[in-house]
Amino acid sequence: DGGITQSPKYLFRKEGQNVTLSCEQNLNHDAMYWYRQDPGQGLRLIYYSQIVNDFQKGDIAEGYSVSREKKESFPLTVTSAQKNPTAFYLCASTSTGGNTEAFFGQGTRLTVV
Amino acid sequence: GESVGLHLPTLSVQEGDNSIINCAYSNSASDYFIWYKQESGKGPQFIIDIRSNMDKRQGQRVTVLLNKTVKHLSLQIAATQPGDSAVYFCADPASGGSYIPTFGRGTSLIVHP
Repeated sequence: DGGITQSPKYLFRKEGQNVTLSCEQNLNHDAMYWYRQDPGQGLRLIYYSQIVNDFQKGDIAEGYSVSREKKESFPLTVTSAQKNPTAFYLCASTSTGGNTEAFFGQGTRLTVV
Repeated sequence: GESVGLHLPTLSVQEGDNSIINCAYSNSASDYFIWYKQESGKGPQFIIDIRSNMDKRQGQRVTVLLNKTVKHLSLQIAATQPGDSAVYFCADPASGGSYIPTFGRGTSLIVHP
């Protein structure tokens, strides 16, 4: 089945650590996105990539980094510079053009301990 | 700024009632909208979409209405069931030409048995 997979589902991070969230899709979509969701809030865009080897900052990119070395994969690293990383992270993808439905992964819940 | 936004953060209804979730958008050039449903701990999923050449679109138990004059759309759920309890987002997939999916804050629908 085609879809988008995020892992892990739950992740715990110690203060000062970098952690990487995985996002893989087999939908052959060109564009991929990372959103952050805080309780009772909407989806805020962290980074997006519309083509391999290229990505752009979203509204809240500080403290995060990404790479897009393969079409299928768009990992997100939450660095120690992100002062409030506890949140629910969602990865999504769309086909070329973007004016279509976004397919989401099941999310990763990151907690700082 | 936010290009789409929902009117109420929370909507409580009794099982069997009809639910109406409202959304406003700001960009007159937006020509396509999608409603998503997000169940607790999961990623959003597509429910229904509507293009600007339509005023109304019906699905199974759901209807979306679009009023371009006042830049407003609504999602109507008939005979609401406990399984409809979720957060609902309206989205502008093209975000006025940037083709980066933009989401409103979401309305949490609570269905009481």
